[in-house]
Amino acid sequence: KNEVEQSPQNLTAQEGEFITINCSYSVGISALHWLQQHPGGGIVSLFMLSSGKKKHGRLIATINIQEKHSSLHITASHPRDSAVYICAVRSGGATNKLIFGTGTLLAVQP
Amino acid sequence: KAGVTQTPRYLIKTRGQQVTLSCSPISGHRSVSWYQQTPGQGLQFLFEYFSETQRNKGNFPGRFSGRQFSNSRSEMNVSTLELGDSALYLCASSFGRSSYEQYFGPGTRLTVT
Repeated sequence: KNEVEQSPQNLTAQEGEFITINCSYSVGISALHWLQQHPGGGIVSLFMLSSGKKKHGRLIATINIQEKHSSLHITASHPRDSAVYICAVRSGGATNKLIFGTGTLLAVQP
Repeated sequence: KAGVTQTPRYLIKTRGQQVTLSCSPISGHRSVSWYQQTPGQGLQFLFEYFSETQRNKGNFPGRFSGRQFSNSRSEMNVSTLELGDSALYLCASSFGRSSYEQYFGPGTRLTVT
């Protein structure tokens, strides 16, 4: 079983829909990252959080440390949101490395 | 501030050769991490450097090595290339270790033939 699980793996939405991507992890962490990767490879960090909730524009990220679960929400989705969204956790302690989920491929249709 | 830069962006090598990839972090950032991305394995951690010292290493064979210079620039080297080393190699820099945001470079796409 992967240490970081994302769901769904693929998601197709209509423009304007509310989107949720989930991430569950099984290791102790010091932080959780949500990343966005467009075709061509470039990765952009969307959020880094260790507790609670963060909001940036139409994006909202939440984390529940007790349940080892995080969600990324996109409100009023737009075709330009089409990308792969990757959840990554920074393992705590001596290992201190990023462990990645397999990503969620999002396609927003106009 | 200029972002993270990686050179070269694309590289084609032959099996058995060696390759060196370079990463220049954002000015002021002292931590550089390297990642490998393949369609089959996804993103995997290679190693992390901070203040010229390797702080962590992922589960990769000894053919993969790296170093960091006093100006925080980092290089990674892969010796005796195998077909399976074909991948996108990404580096990311951050101000410090642990709970600091990571800024990714555009990656170097390595093809081994």
